[in-house]
Amino acid sequence: EAGVAQSPRYKIIEKRQSVAFWCNPISGHATLYWYQQILGQGPKLLIQFQNNGVVDDSQLPKDRFSAERLKGVDSTLKIQPAKLEDSAVYLCASSLRTGQGYYEQYFGPGTRLTVT
Amino acid sequence: GDSVTQMEGPVTLSEEAFLTINCTYTATGYPSLFWYVQYPGEGLQLLLKATKADDKGSNKGFEATYRKETTSFHLEKGSVQVSDSAVYFCALSDLSSGGYQKVTFGTGTKLQVIP
Repeated sequence: EAGVAQSPRYKIIEKRQSVAFWCNPISGHATLYWYQQILGQGPKLLIQFQNNGVVDDSQLPKDRFSAERLKGVDSTLKIQPAKLEDSAVYLCASSLRTGQGYYEQYFGPGTRLTVT
Repeated sequence: GDSVTQMEGPVTLSEEAFLTINCTYTATGYPSLFWYVQYPGEGLQLLLKATKADDKGSNKGFEATYRKETTSFHLEKGSVQVSDSAVYFCALSDLSSGGYQKVTFGTGTKLQVIP
């Protein structure tokens, strides 16, 4: 089974520029998550999709961040304009409800963003 | 809201030493508990899980027991190897007020094992 795919793996941009990240979840996984992981910290949920609908975007800075999940499959996360404090690893994950009733998350390798 | 507290790192151990990484949680519901591991430059990988009280999750020599009475899920390994050097995250999954599964992570504990 293929894992969660993300691209690009690395991105360096200047502040005020825009950037987009792409995620392809595991086939059949209804739930998709975008996390921001700042160096030395745990992942912070930015947005969670159930199929192609948003169920939680309470921590997404909506003035500069946007995300969509087309047809309930692939997803893109965009930052426009970027700030220095957006430098982080952006992790995508997908999950499936198991037969035991819990949700097991699978993570992609992440995109490391550096804003200069 | 839900929260996860982990012991701060870094934790530095000699090879074959015993490892404990403490994790405690607060949750409004009855969560499932997880330990994830993150190797340098990689995403998070599920290490082990427990879904109800007194369950013991285990994988690759690591173990953790779901202790509801102490709201804890401490990670242990009897003999660590250099290859275990990584960052370990404790996490819980709980049903939110909106009816969807919400995952909360701890801040991570970096483990360095020296030969």
